[in-house]
Amino acid sequence: QVQLQESGPGLVKPSETLSLTCTVSGGSISNYHWGWVRQPPGKGLEWIGYIFGYIFDSGRTNYNPSLVGRVTISLDTSRNQFSLNLNSVTAADTAVYYCARQPSASTSGHLDYWGQGTLVTVSS
Amino acid sequence: DVVVTQSPLSLPVTLGQPASISCRSGRSLVYSDGNTYLNWFHQRPGQSPRRLIYKVSNRDSGVPDRFSGSGSDTDFTLKISRVEAEDVGVYYCMQGSHWPYTFGQGTKLEIK
Repeated sequence: QVQLQESGPGLVKPSETLSLTCTVSGGSISNYHWGWVRQPPGKGLEWIGYIFGYIFDSGRTNYNPSLVGRVTISLDTSRNQFSLNLNSVTAADTAVYYCARQPSASTSGHLDYWGQGTLVTVSS
Repeated sequence: DVVVTQSPLSLPVTLGQPASISCRSGRSLVYSDGNTYLNWFHQRPGQSPRRLIYKVSNRDSGVPDRFSGSGSDTDFTLKISRVEAEDVGVYYCMQGSHWPYTFGQGTKLEIK
C-alpha cells in the first residue's frame, strides 16, 4: 500500500521560504509523477504543481502559473522523497499542504494517493 | 484557468435517499488523446481528499458501487444512489485536461 507523509515547519515568517518534504513508502518514486496541492483554511483545493518521476522524464516540472517564479518542486530518488519550496511567502500562502501521487493519467486519472496534509502558517 | 462550477454548494440529504452533484466546466474536457479527465474526490472533516472516480466514470478500488459518475464534454454528475452516514463531507470535482488543473468549489453533503 502506497503511503505519503509530508514533513516540514508548521510556521514560516513572511518573505521567507516554505520548505516541505514528502516521503513515499510502499513503492518506487521513479514510476509515477508527484504533485503538491494546497487548501487554505476553510477553503477549496488548489494545484501547486507536479514533477515527473519517470526515469526518462525525471525532474521535469509543471507549475501553476499563479506561482511560477516562487515555486520549485524537486525529486530525491535515493531517498524516495520529493520536495516543495515556495519563496517570498505571505499570509495568503497559509494553508494545509498535501502531497499526492499522480499516476499515468491516460490509464489511471489524477491524484490517486494523498498524504495526510500539513498545516503551514505564515506569520511573524 | 478553466473554471469548474459545482452545484449545489450545500446538499442536505435524508439517509437512504439519493443525491446528485453537478460539475460544469467552462471549456470542453475532452483531451487531445480522446480521454476526458474529470475526477471526483471526497473529503471528510479533518482528513485529506480521497479519490472516488476518475476519467468521468471509473470508480476507484474500494469505492462502494452506490457512487457513480457520468457526463461528457463540459457537463458531469456524481450520483449517490442511497446516502449513508459515512458519505458526509465535501465533494470536489477536478479537471485534469487543461493545465493548471482546477477543482470545483466543493459541495458539502450533510444528513438531514
